Amino acid sequence: AQTVTQSQPEMSVQEAETVTLSCTYDTSESDYYLFWYKQPPSRQMILVIRQEAYKQQNATENRFSVNFQKAAKSFSLKISDSQLGDAAMYFCACYSGGYQKVTFGTGTKLQVIP
Amino acid sequence: DADVTQTPRNRITKTGKRIMLECSQTKGHDRMYWYRQDPGLGLRLIYYSFDVKDINKGEISDGYSVSRQAQAKFSLSLESAIPNQTALYFCATSEGQGAANTEAFFGQGTRLTVV
Repeated sequence: AQTVTQSQPEMSVQEAETVTLSCTYDTSESDYYLFWYKQPPSRQMILVIRQEAYKQQNATENRFSVNFQKAAKSFSLKISDSQLGDAAMYFCACYSGGYQKVTFGTGTKLQVIP
Repeated sequence: DADVTQTPRNRITKTGKRIMLECSQTKGHDRMYWYRQDPGLGLRLIYYSFDVKDINKGEISDGYSVSRQAQAKFSLSLESAIPNQTALYFCATSEGQGAANTEAFFGQGTRLTVV
């Protein structure tokens, strides 16, 4: 089995500032992948960033980066230079090879303050 | 056109009615999934299918059934809808295993209200 925990139901950030969303996971598999998905008010689920567990280097996609701490089973998302369009629900997710399904966290609602 | 299409986008139905949510995809993926999203609970897996002949229950399958009519089509049925099945439902697809193949592609969601 695998679990994903997001302990921050809501967060807020000033426009142009940096915010970090937290996520912890648990899996007994050695082969797994971690994801952050964004869900804006349109409700479309959009992949923000992906991290392969076997890679030590933290993934980066433009203003989005992760802090992957494998031993601590932590996978946080950092959004730099926050923009109004970043306001959304963010879901952390885990896929493991043995489980072969994606497990999602409960989500963090991010508000961006102008 | 969207790669993963769900119909309807929104639906209101009465308690006890049978309702079917449909999903079709043009991505050519073998794997398809149905998730349910509730506030504070995230997305929970209802059913998943790795190919036309392989259908599996997820963590919350009670009260639901599915049909994989073709590689591209995967429908979800509520045999007798009840109010606590009011939720946002997502269909998703993925290619399979491997680093580049685990990303899930989602439909636009179906907002179902059972009154």
